[in-house]
Amino acid sequence: NAGVMQNPRHLVRRRGQEARLRCSPMKGHSHVYWYRQLPEEGLKFMVYLQKENIIDESGMPKERFSAEFPKEGPSILRIQQVVRGDSAAYFCASSPGGQGSSPLHFGNGTRLTVT
Amino acid sequence: EDQVTQSPEALRLQEGESSSLNCSYTVSGLRGLFWYRQDPGKGPEFLFTLYSAGEEKEKERLKATLTKKESFLHITAPKPEDSATYLCAVQAGGGSQGNLIFGKGTKLSVKP
Repeated sequence: NAGVMQNPRHLVRRRGQEARLRCSPMKGHSHVYWYRQLPEEGLKFMVYLQKENIIDESGMPKERFSAEFPKEGPSILRIQQVVRGDSAAYFCASSPGGQGSSPLHFGNGTRLTVT
Repeated sequence: EDQVTQSPEALRLQEGESSSLNCSYTVSGLRGLFWYRQDPGKGPEFLFTLYSAGEEKEKERLKATLTKKESFLHITAPKPEDSATYLCAVQAGGGSQGNLIFGKGTKLSVKP
C-alpha cells in the first residue's frame, strides 16, 4: 500500500533554470496539496488540486510558480527561472475525495537547492 | 489573522520523563486541529485529528487534548524513538479543505 510518492528527492538547479517536482497521491486519493517548508519556518500551504482542476491557489506566488494535476499521471509543481529564495523542501500531500476535514498524508518531499 | 503558536521550540527529556507540548491557536471557525510527527528528512506523519473542545485522542504513549484556545500533546514515559519534531496545524472555517495553518513545531529529544 504505497504512500504519497514524490520525486526527485533532491534537486539542484542553477539560478534561472526550471524545476519540476512530481507527486503521485496515495491509491484512492483524488485530492492533492503542495506545501513549502523553508528553513526555520513552518509548512506553508501553496495549492490544492483535484484532477484537472485547481481548487485553491491562494498560497502560490503569483509569478514563476504553477501546478497541475492531469487526468493521467502525477501532479506537477513547476518553478520557472528559479532564484536562491526558492531553495526549500516541497511537500506533497493527498486525501480522499469528499467533504470534511480528512487528514492529509504527506510524501517525504523534494529538497530543492538553487545555486 | 489565523495563527498557530507552538511551545516550547525544543524540549529535552530523559527516557520515562513525561511532559506536554502546547499548541495555541487563533482561528476563525475551527474545522479541525491536527497533530503530526516529522522525522529528519521525512514528511509529516499524521497522528491525530481533534474537532471540538473537550475532545481527547490517544495512541500508545501520546494523548492529544483540545480546548477552545489550545491543544496539548501529552507524552507519557517517552522513549528515545519518540524523538522527532511534533507539528500542530489547524483548518480554519474560511479555508479550503487541506489549506492547513501549521505551527513551527516542537523538537523533542528523548535521551536514554
